[in-house]
Amino acid sequence: AQSVSQHNHHVILSEAASLELGCNYSYGGTVNLFWYVQYPGQHLQLLLKYFSGDPLVKGIKGFEAEFIKSKFSFNLRKPSVQWSDTAEYFCAVGGNNDMRFGAGTRLTV
Amino acid sequence: GAVVSQHPSWVICKSGTSVKIECRSLDFQATTMFWYRQFPKQSLMLMATSNEGSKATYEQGVEKDKFLINHASLTLSTLTVTSAHPEDSSFYICSAVSGIFTGELFFGEGSRLTVL
Repeated sequence: AQSVSQHNHHVILSEAASLELGCNYSYGGTVNLFWYVQYPGQHLQLLLKYFSGDPLVKGIKGFEAEFIKSKFSFNLRKPSVQWSDTAEYFCAVGGNNDMRFGAGTRLTV
Repeated sequence: GAVVSQHPSWVICKSGTSVKIECRSLDFQATTMFWYRQFPKQSLMLMATSNEGSKATYEQGVEKDKFLINHASLTLSTLTVTSAHPEDSSFYICSAVSGIFTGELFFGEGSRLTVL
């Protein structure tokens, strides 16, 4: 069965600290991988995505994620977080007719 | 950017009544819409996928007779919670995909349902 697992439920960091949020997936066939972010009181919005090609993907606001096929992982990173990065982050796996989300990680800066 | 609007954003109803939630894509045609349910401090749980003009595909464990989904046009999908019970209280979120899948889902604001 398809599933997405996020390891950290709540992460608390100081400004300028580095961030890495884990995401592992179990999915048959070709995978499309995404990170979505939900800022307080706002809609979910796309942070970055991976379809194919360079496994290191750069997104908005200085975020990046690396697809490691052998580990079934797609971890999100940011070298130096800011207060404005406080939000809920969701890893998602899927495609045009199937999109599944991880449990989410709350980041507090 | 693409806008998806849900209505109502907040609804309170009595147990046993039915509630309809609308999801509209305002500036694009949504060939596919997803309906999710989000419990407090939990992830979005996919309930069903609806494609315009065809029956919705429900996830395992989701009662299709209780959660009626209609995707009658390229800009509107509706979720009707029939004979609602307190355990149906939740946050329901729709998202839409345009005809060409770019990998981005456009989300509605969500609808908070409270069943008394």
